[in-house]
Amino acid sequence: QKEVEQNSGPLSVPEGAIASLNCTYSDRVSQSFFWYRQYSGKSPELIMSIYSNGDKEDGRFTAQLNKASQYVSLLIRDSQPSDSATYLCALQFSGGYNKLIFGAGTRLAVHP
Amino acid sequence: DVKVTQSSRYLVKRTGEKVFLECVQDMDHENMFWYRQDPGLGLRLIYFSYDVKMKEKGDIPEGYSVSREKKERFSLILESASTNQTSMYLCASSKRRGGTGELFFGEGSRLTVL
Repeated sequence: QKEVEQNSGPLSVPEGAIASLNCTYSDRVSQSFFWYRQYSGKSPELIMSIYSNGDKEDGRFTAQLNKASQYVSLLIRDSQPSDSATYLCALQFSGGYNKLIFGAGTRLAVHP
Repeated sequence: DVKVTQSSRYLVKRTGEKVFLECVQDMDHENMFWYRQDPGLGLRLIYFSYDVKMKEKGDIPEGYSVSREKKERFSLILESASTNQTSMYLCASSKRRGGTGELFFGEGSRLTVL
């Protein structure tokens, strides 16, 4: 089993809708979780981090973490065509050194 | 503005050639990483370094080596390039202590091995 699992997509949503991206992980000890956005041909950039159970909101983005279920999600409200990208889930490996383990990413397509 | 710079955006090499990929960061970060990214496989960690002259194997170190002689510079070396090393290579850096865990990535180096 991969350590971080994501549905590869594409996830297609209409403009203005809520996009829901999901991620499951196998390392029960991991404490830090991240969502990176990667536009085609570009490098990943951090959009959200979450460290404790519950929701964390930042503008149109909400990250949700459920450690008991080993599940982290990203909600994008009022989706825009500019949100079309691949979203990478990552967890900070419990072994230290701030090493991140990434999922394969979910491709999101927001159509007008 | 924080910056991670990779020396080459695109490279084409022949099988068996020695390949150097260079990465420089200007944020005084202790940690530096080399990932490769392939469709459907995501980012896979090749090697990382948490200090000058220190290195640790990642998940897929076979066929690669690294060098970190200065804090700001981390090099990835393919001793004898093979076609299965055709990929996008991403360098990243982060703070080791007191940081959020955020990785800052370079623009990537797309390597094609013929």
